[in-house]
Amino acid sequence: DVKVTQSSRYLVKRTGEKVFLECVQDMDHENMFWYRQDPGLGLRLIYFSYDVKMKEKGDIPEGYSVSREKKERFSLILESASTNQTSMYLCASSLATSFSYEQYFGPGTRLTVT
Amino acid sequence: AQSVTQLDSQVHVFEEAPVELRCNYSSSVSVYLFWYVQYPNQGLQLLLKYLSGSTLVESINGFEAEFNKSQTSFHLRKPSVHISDTAEYFCAVSGSGGYQKVTFGTGTKLQVIP
Repeated sequence: DVKVTQSSRYLVKRTGEKVFLECVQDMDHENMFWYRQDPGLGLRLIYFSYDVKMKEKGDIPEGYSVSREKKERFSLILESASTNQTSMYLCASSLATSFSYEQYFGPGTRLTVT
Repeated sequence: AQSVTQLDSQVHVFEEAPVELRCNYSSSVSVYLFWYVQYPNQGLQLLLKYLSGSTLVESINGFEAEFNKSQTSFHLRKPSVHISDTAEYFCAVSGSGGYQKVTFGTGTKLQVIP
């Protein structure tokens, strides 16, 4: 059974703080993704990675960066958190060869920036 | 560029009644299509997918969706819903070649009324 875990279910941070969201998958998947989910907007891709140390911008990368030092771990970094980054953050992973197959999602981290 | 439109943000149906959740997509290339389900306080999980072959695809819990290329639609149906089907449903599309990112719709919240 594929398992994607995220370091926190709920997180409260102050404006200007540096925030790390961690994601770990246990199925040796090459591809990993970070999305944010907002009511009425669905899921929007922030960044993705198809290999260790490789990263690509998604649709809304501004204000975020990522790190992938190990295959199983993909971190999302908010360099200076702002209130408009209050959201649900979802991590996902998938097998290589194509991004077009099933993505496996973690339970999400609900981040509140005050 | 590709996009997905889910026409209904919320759907309320009585238990044991049929339901249809509508999804239309646009893409300039051949597509893969997906429905994901998100139960309360959980991440998304794949419900069913169309990659090729038969245009009618089914899930293990009684949902089905039909790929209609001429209508550019991939509507999700179930002939008789249960309370446990209460969830948010996301339609998604990706191109069918190479590394193609997945674009998600804005989601439809299905509320099953006892």
